Amino acid sequence: DFVMTQSPLSLPVTLGQPASISCRSSQSLVYSDGNTYLSWFQQRPGQSPRRLIYKVSNRDSGVPDRFSGGGSGTDFTLKISRVEAEDVGVYYCMQGTHWPPGFSFGQGTKLEIK
Amino acid sequence: EDQLVESGGGLVKPGESLRLSCAVSGFKFTDAWMSWVRQVPGKGLEWVGRIKSKAEGGTTDFAAPVKGRFTISRDESKNTLYLQMNSLKTEDTAVYYCTTDREDLGDSWGQGTLVTVSS
Repeated sequence: DFVMTQSPLSLPVTLGQPASISCRSSQSLVYSDGNTYLSWFQQRPGQSPRRLIYKVSNRDSGVPDRFSGGGSGTDFTLKISRVEAEDVGVYYCMQGTHWPPGFSFGQGTKLEIK
Repeated sequence: EDQLVESGGGLVKPGESLRLSCAVSGFKFTDAWMSWVRQVPGKGLEWVGRIKSKAEGGTTDFAAPVKGRFTISRDESKNTLYLQMNSLKTEDTAVYYCTTDREDLGDSWGQGTLVTVSS
């Protein structure tokens, strides 16, 4: 079975400090077209999800540059250079390379302020 | 600016059917691939299914838990996406979101509509 695994599941961070979330897939996410379909989403409390990053490292429009994505193959990372209060929420990675199973999300990482 | 507005959620009994709608504006719907994603309150995100643009065949794909029970359709004249849910189960209880799928899933999301399946 195809699995996306995030760590940590809970991430307490001090304001102004960096944060990092890991996402690992059970198979390489490199597609036959050469692209890697790995995205990151943020879901603030009470809100709909919002995509931050697509194809590993491309920031969506309006996403602050303190958010960055990286990695390759099966190991990926979302980094926040300096955490702000508005960054509180749950972060999900998602793959779009393997069909089936289709789009698959990680379990989510809850970021909170220490 | 993209706008996606879901409607049609509510309380239904196991085995019953429900149709959700997603009215869109602010972008060219005819060119858009669209998905439905659901979330059990307090839990994670689960992709339900997607539909390609008509120009690319309008074909659909579904996640294993809903395959054969759910269908997705689109009405370009109404700029509306639909999710037809049949043979509903208690485990289908969730908030259902529609999304646009540009450069992969989820560049825009609606506010969601809650479906509760309970006897």
